[in-house]
Amino acid sequence: DTEVTQTPKHLVMGMTNKKSLKCEQHMGHRAMYWYKQKAKKPPELMFVYSYEKLSINESVPSRFSPECPNSSLLNLHLHALQPEDSALYLCASSQVHRGYGYTFGSGTRLTVV
Amino acid sequence: KNEVEQSPQNLTAQEGEFITINCSYSVGISALHWLQQHPGGGIVSLFMLSSGKKKHGRLIATINIQEKHSSLHITASHPRDSAVYICAVRGGGSNYKLTFGKGTLLTVNP
Repeated sequence: DTEVTQTPKHLVMGMTNKKSLKCEQHMGHRAMYWYKQKAKKPPELMFVYSYEKLSINESVPSRFSPECPNSSLLNLHLHALQPEDSALYLCASSQVHRGYGYTFGSGTRLTVV
Repeated sequence: KNEVEQSPQNLTAQEGEFITINCSYSVGISALHWLQQHPGGGIVSLFMLSSGKKKHGRLIATINIQEKHSSLHITASHPRDSAVYICAVRGGGSNYKLTFGKGTLLTVNP
């Protein structure tokens, strides 16, 4: 298995809703990432987990809450989002050590109404 | 000045043409990635380079570490190659972060 699987592919949520994005990989990668991508812009790093521990939080608002329950799973819990949070949310994974490539998921297209 | 610069920003070609996209970076890196993103789609990793040259099908990627420059070539381009191509670099040591270029929008006309 050489894929990063993200679910759901599309999500529409209201500003008072609570939802979660899910990311799964079975490549034995011990670093997992959440990126946010707005239209026609490069991805922006949100969070990095290394060996299931949060190692980087790029000053992301607390309405985004990451969770890494095990080495294969990465979740992003969403609560009280704003319309400007609408974007493509990408998950990626890699080996921890430098010199190894990244594998990206196909993303979740999130719309906040 | 961005740490990763790509050129051109937009590129239109006729089917069958040879395509070159360039990437220059100003920081020390452990690896450089070429990524592909179709409109509205996710990201596909095409190549990871730390030296030399790699080839996969009609795609060739090269890197010159001394000159901090990489190129992505597409031979015999096809309309299905139309996408945004993104250069991204990973720092050294335990720096996990990818720094992205702004991307090159390639349109291949039949």
